Amino acid sequence: GESVGLHLPTLSVQEGDNSIINCAYSNSASDYFIWYKQESGKGPQFIIDIRSNMDKRQGQRVTVLLNKTVKHLSLQIAATQPGDSAVYFCAEISNDYKLSFGAGTTVTVRA
Amino acid sequence: KAGVTQTPRYLIKTRGQQVTLSCSPISGHRSVSWYQQTPGQGLQFLFEYFSETQRNKGNFPGRFSGRQFSNSRSEMNVSTLELGDSALYLCASCTGQGAEEQYFGPGTRLTVT
Repeated sequence: GESVGLHLPTLSVQEGDNSIINCAYSNSASDYFIWYKQESGKGPQFIIDIRSNMDKRQGQRVTVLLNKTVKHLSLQIAATQPGDSAVYFCAEISNDYKLSFGAGTTVTVRA
Repeated sequence: KAGVTQTPRYLIKTRGQQVTLSCSPISGHRSVSWYQQTPGQGLQFLFEYFSETQRNKGNFPGRFSGRQFSNSRSEMNVSTLELGDSALYLCASCTGQGAEEQYFGPGTRLTVT
C-alpha cells in the first residue's frame, strides 16, 4: 500500500544547531502535507504545512521543503532548543481526506 | 475557542470486554477522525466521520466501530477487546471541507489486561 515514512527513527542534535528531519512519501495523489510535533502525553500538534503547488514554506524557526520529483519532504528547525525535543511526524492528505502518517522521528536535544 | 477534548483520558479493561471512547471536536468542525497509536505501528487511521456519516475507513477489523452525533461529537467502540488493542486512541477534528490541518485531542490511553 502507499504510505508516508521517515528516513530515521531518531535524531540527536546539539542545542543551537539546526535539525533536519526527512520524510519520503509514495502517494503521488497527495496534495497537502503537514508536519506534526508530539510531546510526551500529548496529541500531535501542527507545526507547518505545505501544498503540492509549493516547494518551500517557512514558519517561525521552521522550514518545510517539498520535492515532488523524488517524493521527499523535509522539516528544518533552526537553532534547535530543548523544547523541540519530541516526536515529529510527517503526514499526507489525499483528496479523499485520508491522513496518512509516517513512523515518526524522535528528536533529542543535547544541552 | 476550546480544543478537541477526549474522555476518558485513561482506561483499563480486560480481554473480552468492550469500550466506548468519546471525542468532542472544536466548535464548528464537522469532521472527526480516529487514530490508533502504538509504539510498533505508529499512527494508524481508523475512520473518519463527517455530518454523522462514515466517510473514510482504515484497515481495522469490524470490532472497531464509531458514530457521530448531530452536534458532531463522536464515539468509537471496540468490542471483544484483545491485548493488542492497548494503545493511545487519538481523535482529530477539522471542517471537513478539503485538505486541511486536523486538530488533535490529547488522546485516551487504553490498557487491556
